[in-house]
This record gives sequence, C-alpha cells and structure tokens, in this order.
Amino acid sequence: AQSVTQPDIHITVSEGASLELRCNYSYGATPYLFWYVQSPGQGLQLLLKYFSGDTLVQGIKGFEAEFKRSQSSFNLRKPSVHWSDAAEYFCASLLYNQGGKLIFGQGTELSVKP
Amino acid sequence: DVKVTQSSRYLVKRTGEKVFLECVQDMDHENMFWYRQDPGLGLRLIYFSYDVKMKEKGDIPEGYSVSREKKERFSLILESASTNQTSMYLCASSSRDRENRPQHFGDGTRLSIL
Repeated sequence: AQSVTQPDIHITVSEGASLELRCNYSYGATPYLFWYVQSPGQGLQLLLKYFSGDTLVQGIKGFEAEFKRSQSSFNLRKPSVHWSDAAEYFCASLLYNQGGKLIFGQGTELSVKP
Repeated sequence: DVKVTQSSRYLVKRTGEKVFLECVQDMDHENMFWYRQDPGLGLRLIYFSYDVKMKEKGDIPEGYSVSREKKERFSLILESASTNQTSMYLCASSSRDRENRPQHFGDGTRLSIL
C-alpha cells in the first residue's frame, strides 16, 4: 500500500539557518508528490509539486524539494529560515488510480528561534 | 489563483442540531473533498465527490453526509451533531487534469459542538 512518512514530528531551527524537512514515500512507480504548509488556524497552502522531469523543484516562499528515487524521499529545503516560516508542513502523495485522493504524512511542526 | 471559500471560519452549535458546512470553489474543478483535522490524528478524509450529484465515502463518513448539486459547491452535513465532531473541517478541490492534480484548500471551519 502507498504510504507517506514524515519522520520528524517537531523541528526547531534558528532564524537564518538552513532547513530540511524529511519525507519518505512508498510506491512502485513515480509518485505525484506535494508539500503543503499550514499556519495556525489556517488551511493548507501548496508550496510545490513534483510529477516528473527535473528532480529539483522550486516552490513559493523560497522553498525547494528534491525527489530522490533511490532513497524514496522528497525532502523540503530552504537555505535561510525566517520567523514567519514557523508552521506545520505536510508531505502528500497522489493515490494511484483513485482519482484525486491524496495520502498525507503526519506533518512536521517547525519552530523558529530568534 | 484557485479560490476555495468555506462559509464560516468559526461555528458553535449544540448537540443534536443539524449542521451545514458550505464550500465553494471558483476554478471549475471536478473533484471536491471534505476533511477533518484533529491534533495527533492528521487529516482524515470524510467524503469526496468526482462530479455533480456524485459522492463517495472517505475514511470516516459515519455521522456525516454531503451534497453536491452544483459543480462549484460541496456541502458537508452533520445530521445530528455530537461533541466528538468538534474539530477543524477543511474543504479542498482539484482538477482531473494530470498537471493540475494538487488539491487546493479553503481556510477551514473550526466547529465546536456544545
């Protein structure tokens, strides 16, 4: 069965430091992968998506993610974190042959230290 | 930009009431979804719809029903609200087109059942 795992429940980084949030997927073929961000009390906002092609994808707010088939990973990165990046981040994959349904990871909560 | 609008940000209802949560999208998307989000449980799919008047159960449909009379509108109905339905409810929509599969979310409705 398809699955998406975010190993880190909570991460704290200092403002200005680099960030990497981990996401692992299980799927035989090339998955459709997404990263979403959720600020407190808000809905989910799409940061970036990967369908095929270039394995390094750029998103909004200065985020990027790299698809690595050999590691079954799709990690989210940002070179310099801002205090406004504090939020919860969700990795998701499109479920195969189930229309538009997604499977989500459990989320990683990011705290930013001044 | 895709706009998914949920009718209420906050709602307080009483046990036993019939509750309607409304969601409207403006991008002519075929797919629409209702989730609930609870701490520690992530996002759970309640119902989804691939087309007008079409609906399918998600992972936790008990106690809920849905209505999709028009393509742009997807309503979630709590037939007889109970306190365990206090939660954050998120609506999303997506296209059947492969390149536009990401789900786009509304801002959420925080529902309290007293």
